[in-house]
Amino acid sequence: EDQVTQSPEALRLQEGESSSLNCSYTVSGLRGLFWYRQDPGKGPEFLFTLYSAGEEKEKERLKATLTKKESFLHITAPKPEDSATYLCAVRTISSGSARQLTFGSGTQLTVLP
Amino acid sequence: GAVVSQHPSWVICKSGTSVKIECRSLDFQATTMFWYRQFPKQSLMLMATSNEGSKATYEQGVEKDKFLINHASLTLSTLTVTSAHPEDSSFYICSARTTGGGGYTFGSGTRLTVV
Repeated sequence: EDQVTQSPEALRLQEGESSSLNCSYTVSGLRGLFWYRQDPGKGPEFLFTLYSAGEEKEKERLKATLTKKESFLHITAPKPEDSATYLCAVRTISSGSARQLTFGSGTQLTVLP
Repeated sequence: GAVVSQHPSWVICKSGTSVKIECRSLDFQATTMFWYRQFPKQSLMLMATSNEGSKATYEQGVEKDKFLINHASLTLSTLTVTSAHPEDSSFYICSARTTGGGGYTFGSGTRLTVV
């Protein structure tokens, strides 16, 4: 069974204090790892997709990396508007033709001014 | 980019009544839609996968007769919670497979409260 574990559950940072969120996975065969941002009472908003170990993607203050066992979402000099829940999801061989995603439990990030 | 419009954004209903949630793809055809349920501070749990014109595939433990999914057209999928009970109170989110945005576009979610 595919498993996705995110840590920490919650993270509080001061504005400008860089940090990383972790997503570790145990899957049958990875076909894509996805990062989403979710604001309270909203649906997830797409950030990145990573497909193979060693791949990196950046967008503004965010950078996602991938290894064979885990992915990191690095946040550089965060601002209060970066406060949200960050979700990690995987698509695997088990997803079949439907290609559904399996989500981790998320990291709730709070950036204090 | 691809947009999925989900309505209503919140609904309160009495125990024993039914509630319908709609998801529409506004500028693309959604052959496959996913329905998720999310409890407070928890992740998205896949409930079912629907394909246009065919029966939905439900995840283990999800009651087919309670959570009715209809995907009758390429732009509309609905989730009906029948005979709702307080334990059905949750945040329901739909998602469609698209060509952009990582391949999946999510609706804005529906907060269901059963009293």
